[in-house]
Amino acid sequence: DAEITQSPRHKITETGRQVTLACHQTWNHNNMFWYRQDLGHGLRLIHYSYGVQDTNKGEVSDGYSVSRSNTEDLPLTLESAASSQTSVYFCASRAQGANTEAFFGQGTRLTVV
Amino acid sequence: GENVEQHPSTLSVQEGDSAVIKCTYSDSASNYFPWYKQELGKRPQLIIDIRSNVGEKKDQRIAVTLNKTAKHFSLHITETQPEDSAVYFCAASRGDSSYKLIFGSGTRLLVRP
Repeated sequence: DAEITQSPRHKITETGRQVTLACHQTWNHNNMFWYRQDLGHGLRLIHYSYGVQDTNKGEVSDGYSVSRSNTEDLPLTLESAASSQTSVYFCASRAQGANTEAFFGQGTRLTVV
Repeated sequence: GENVEQHPSTLSVQEGDSAVIKCTYSDSASNYFPWYKQELGKRPQLIIDIRSNVGEKKDQRIAVTLNKTAKHFSLHITETQPEDSAVYFCAASRGDSSYKLIFGSGTRLLVRP
């Protein structure tokens, strides 16, 4: 079955380190998204991509970057991790079309100490 | 910019009662409005969605209504059960080659047995 997977599921890192969270989907969806989930803020969009070599900033993009070298993967990089980036991160993908469902990965819990 | 406001942030109901969650969106070009349910420690999953050319949609105990003029949409759960306890998110999307979903801040629903 097609799916979307994130790795790692849990990570603890130190302030100032570079961290990369992986997201891989097997639906061949063009559209991929990264969200962070914090209590009281819901799901906030970090970065998104509508296809290979396309990346766009979301509402909370500072300190994060993404790259899209193929259809299946959208890795999220924290350039220099900060305690404010402690959060649960969700990757999602969605097929083309105005009314298509977005599918979420299992999430990555990141703690920056 | 694009924004989705969701109320209430928490909702406690007695088993068997109804629950209503309301959302307001700012982007008048939005035309797709999904609702996601997130159980504790799990990923968000789609439970129902509605398109802008439809005023109401039902699926068993769940219904969604849309008022495009007022830019409001609501989730209605009837005959609530303990397994309905979760966090619910509304979202809005344009669909005109813009596939990003903007989410509300979430509602934690507790159904008391």
